[in-house]
Amino acid sequence: GQNIDQPTEMTATEGAIVQINCTYQTSGFNGLFWYQQHAGEAPTFLSYNVLDGLEEKGRFSSFLSRSKGYSYLLLKELQMKDSASYLCAVSNDYKLSFGAGTTVTVRA
Amino acid sequence: ETGVTQTPRHLVMGMTNKKSLKCEQHLGHNAMYWYKQSAKKPLELMFVYSLEERVENNSVPSRFSPECPNSSHLFLHLHTLQPEDSALYLCASSQAADSGTEAFFGQGTRLTVV
Repeated sequence: GQNIDQPTEMTATEGAIVQINCTYQTSGFNGLFWYQQHAGEAPTFLSYNVLDGLEEKGRFSSFLSRSKGYSYLLLKELQMKDSASYLCAVSNDYKLSFGAGTTVTVRA
Repeated sequence: ETGVTQTPRHLVMGMTNKKSLKCEQHLGHNAMYWYKQSAKKPLELMFVYSLEERVENNSVPSRFSPECPNSSHLFLHLHTLQPEDSALYLCASSQAADSGTEAFFGQGTRLTVV
């Protein structure tokens, strides 16, 4: 089975940095995804890690340690539009299994 | 149109009704999925289709019946649902079902069972 844990909520100030952690225990591993979901909208792809290390994409970076079953999503220079739910998802076989999501609130 | 489109966006149905959710992808993908999203809970994978064949069925009650007539279309037929089935139903597609490929999601159908 899958067990994917991430914090429920985080709050940060505009312009700051926030790190969202995700730990997982899965049978089989084809990579880890991060998705962003604004209220009432579809999840949209942010990043994909399959090898250990850091992947950087503009203001967003994602890190993976397969041996520790651990990933984080780093959001830099936070903007008000970054207020959303961030979903950690692990891929194995035919399944993409999701965590419950972390709701990030950005305050002015 | 591009991406993944779902219809209807909102649906209210009684417990004795029969309705269908429709999903269409214009990305040339080979895999399509149905997910259920309830408040404060993880997305739950319901069904996976790869090249029009069902490859995963996550112990979903028989009142949910999927249909994949071709690689671009996916349906979810609903009958005799329960109030606890009220949720956001998301369709997604990806290039392949058995590898770490990005999934593209539709906007979802907000279902309310009364």
